[in-house]
Amino acid sequence: QKEVEQNSGPLSVPEGAIASLNCTYSDRGSQSFFWYRQYSGKSPELIMFIYSNGDKEDGRFTAQLNKASQYVSLLIRDSQPSDSATYLCAVKDSGGSNYKLTFGKGTLLTVNP
Amino acid sequence: NAGVTQTPKFQVLKTGQSMTLQCAQDMNHNSMYWYRQDPGMGLRLIYYSASEGTTDKGEVPNGYNVSRLNKREFSLRLESAAPSQTSVYFCASSVVDNQPQHFGDGTRLSIL
Repeated sequence: QKEVEQNSGPLSVPEGAIASLNCTYSDRGSQSFFWYRQYSGKSPELIMFIYSNGDKEDGRFTAQLNKASQYVSLLIRDSQPSDSATYLCAVKDSGGSNYKLTFGKGTLLTVNP
Repeated sequence: NAGVTQTPKFQVLKTGQSMTLQCAQDMNHNSMYWYRQDPGMGLRLIYYSASEGTTDKGEVPNGYNVSRLNKREFSLRLESAAPSQTSVYFCASSVVDNQPQHFGDGTRLSIL
């Protein structure tokens, strides 16, 4: 059973701070990684995707991938109260079932004004 | 600019009843998916369709059937609903299966 692990939180940060969300995965052959944001009662919304080792930046968001350590993270700079949500890490399975995304259970982020 | 549209948004069923959840996307995506989301369990894949005319089982397919009606539409059917199927159901689509998936707004289903 392939696993994606996230700290459930809640992670609480003050407005303007950097929020750091972490994810580890068990499938060593995985090549595609995604971060989704989900507000309470709403559907997951794609924030970032990353395929290569290193950093990928998009506005206030930076995704970081380290395949050797099987670790992917999401940094949110200048955090805003509107960033308060659950963040889901998703990893595309390698091997025969290569259509499948395995989702972590999510980290609840609270940004305090 | 609808994206992925799911109907209905809410539904209450009695045990043993049947129903079909509808999903349509207007992004010309090839791949479509059905997930369920339960507290403490995360998102779990029920069925997947790589392209029109093909479907495959996901992690939790028991009690469900699917139909890929055409490129745009992918329906999920509960033949005999059970309380364990109370959940939020999400449909998603992607250009191809290794590209990001985009989700619909969900269907909140309660089975009494």
